[in-house]
Amino acid sequence: DTGVSQNPRHKITKRGQNVTFRCDPISEHNRLYWYRQTLGQGPEFLTYFQNEAQLEKSRLLSDRFSAERPKGSFSTLEIQRTEQGDSAMYLCASSFFGRGDSNQPQHFGDGTRLSIL
Amino acid sequence: AQKVTQAQTEISVVEKEDVTLDCVYETRDTTYYLFWYKQPPSGELVFLIRRNSFDEQNEISGRYSWNFQKSTSSFNFTITASQVVDSAVYFCALRNTGRRALTFGSGTRLQVQP
Repeated sequence: DTGVSQNPRHKITKRGQNVTFRCDPISEHNRLYWYRQTLGQGPEFLTYFQNEAQLEKSRLLSDRFSAERPKGSFSTLEIQRTEQGDSAMYLCASSFFGRGDSNQPQHFGDGTRLSIL
Repeated sequence: AQKVTQAQTEISVVEKEDVTLDCVYETRDTTYYLFWYKQPPSGELVFLIRRNSFDEQNEISGRYSWNFQKSTSSFNFTITASQVVDSAVYFCALRNTGRRALTFGSGTRLQVQP
């Protein structure tokens, strides 16, 4: 059973450029989450999907950020017109939700580290 | 609103010492879930334990043990006979019922010296 996979591991880009990250969850997991982690801090929630539906978004997710999970499998997180403050580790997590079992833990990937020049 | 406080920014111990990592949380919900995750230098967050708010039994798993006290809103984590491989950042997290988002503390960096 493979874990959560994120690509790329590192992304360096110039301010103002668009970037896209990909997350492949654990295969049987129907919930997928995105978090952001800055240096010395804990992860902060951005958004989550159940299957293909985006059910919750944090106010941290500005209009420059968009996340999709078109077929309920992998997900992409796009940041448009990147700013210096977007530099962070972007973490993806997944979990399984089934009837009567709403508290499965979230399993995290290695993250994508974004550096804005 | 919910909040998790890990007041210890960094702890350094010598191998075989016992160490306790503190976690204090705030929530208005009566039912919630608490978690501990480990983040080694490689970066991946590794799930360690989940505790429901209605289950105050302490838990032991090998060298790890967790002390949940609702009266003081604390969920502390003890490593017995620490090893160098325990060196990592440890995060405590809270999830309220009805929400999916985890609220993390700022983490405690544990360094175990040989």
